[in-house]
Amino acid sequence: GQNIDQPTEMTATEGAIVQINCTYQTSGFNGLFWYQQHAGEAPTFLSYNVLDGLEEKGRFSSFLSRSKGYSYLLLKELQMKDSASYLCAVTDSNYQLIWGAGTKLIIKP
Amino acid sequence: EPEVTQTPSHQVTQMGQEVILRCVPISNHLYFYWYRQILGQKVEFLVSFYNNEISEKSEIFDDQFSVERPDGSNFTLKIRSTKLEDSAMYFCASSGTLAKTMNTEAFFGQGTRLTVV
Repeated sequence: GQNIDQPTEMTATEGAIVQINCTYQTSGFNGLFWYQQHAGEAPTFLSYNVLDGLEEKGRFSSFLSRSKGYSYLLLKELQMKDSASYLCAVTDSNYQLIWGAGTKLIIKP
Repeated sequence: EPEVTQTPSHQVTQMGQEVILRCVPISNHLYFYWYRQILGQKVEFLVSFYNNEISEKSEIFDDQFSVERPDGSNFTLKIRSTKLEDSAMYFCASSGTLAKTMNTEAFFGQGTRLTVV
């Protein structure tokens, strides 16, 4: 079966750095997305990785290792507004998005 | 900035009734999706739609559900004989243009919260 694993919840301090991990087992791989979702709102796109390595975009970076079926989202200089759920999603061989359950990130002052 | 719009934002319906959830995808997008998220649970894929027909559907998307693109702009999800367990947030999304069809991010609408009572 297809499966994406993320930690359920993480807590971090304002101004710090946090890394959210995602491992996946899917039938084929055509890219990995990270989305941010605030409670009661729609997911919003953060990043896309299809090749191995690190993609940096401002305070957020995303890393992919296809051989390990592993990705992480790195958030630097955390702000209170970063409190949200972070969803990892993989497109499989049919270009269908398979979603993880999301990681709820709690930022403390 | 173009966006996906969904109406209504909140729908309350009685068990057994039919509901239609409406979406206006981004105008030059080619792929359309419906997702469901039960409160506190993961986003679940329901169906994808391309070239005026269903391209993929999940096992959740049974005969109770149907989708339609009645005109050039709207994309609807119909749920027949609603059940209590259909209560969820329903998200519409669109992606892909003629210039770049694959591996583009999906843009989500703000969702319709469906409450079946």
